[in-house]
Amino acid sequence: AQKVTQAQTEISVVEKEDVTLDCVYETRDTTYYLFWYKQPPSGELVFLIRRNSFDEQNEISGRYSWNFQKSTSSFNFTITASQVVDSAVYFCALNDYKLSFGAGTTVTVRA
Amino acid sequence: DVKVTQSSRYLVKRTGEKVFLECVQDMDHENMFWYRQDPGLGLRLIYFSYDVKMKEKGDIPEGYSVSREKKERFSLILESASTNQTSMYLCASSTLAGGLYNEQFFGPGTRLTVL
Repeated sequence: AQKVTQAQTEISVVEKEDVTLDCVYETRDTTYYLFWYKQPPSGELVFLIRRNSFDEQNEISGRYSWNFQKSTSSFNFTITASQVVDSAVYFCALNDYKLSFGAGTTVTVRA
Repeated sequence: DVKVTQSSRYLVKRTGEKVFLECVQDMDHENMFWYRQDPGLGLRLIYFSYDVKMKEKGDIPEGYSVSREKKERFSLILESASTNQTSMYLCASSTLAGGLYNEQFFGPGTRLTVL
């Protein structure tokens, strides 16, 4: 069974639009961590955020924000006022012992 | 900054060849990982290691082996390469301090093509 589901395969937006990436996870553990990584065209995955299972506070970092809802097992990621440099593949991941990745969402921001 | 380097960005090998992919990290991390990335499947864990000479199977270890003789180096070995092992291979490392849930730092990847 897939532990992390990113239902959106590709999203295309025009610059300055907001974009929300969905992530739904599955685990039986009470202690776990959730992550978002960005993979730009250069290929190297870049860590964006880590959130533990006991902290449901939303987080904002510049144009990025994350909404963690334990009740729906979701950890969604929003890019506000998107820019061309945001074009990348974004991965959601769950670590409940090992890190399990979703399939990724390709975001294309057009000028 | 953490630096994870991989020996090659691109590699082309023939079926049946023995292939070595090398990964080196410079931050004294205890944990090291090998993943393969395929379209629509995300990253899948092949093997990981929590310490020198220790290794554990990930989700898809078949056809692969690993070696960790030094803390900073983690090698992935394809004993007899096959075409279904054509993929992007990513190495990562993380510190053990604070538990098992720390963020992983990734190398640039090696795109392996097996003909």
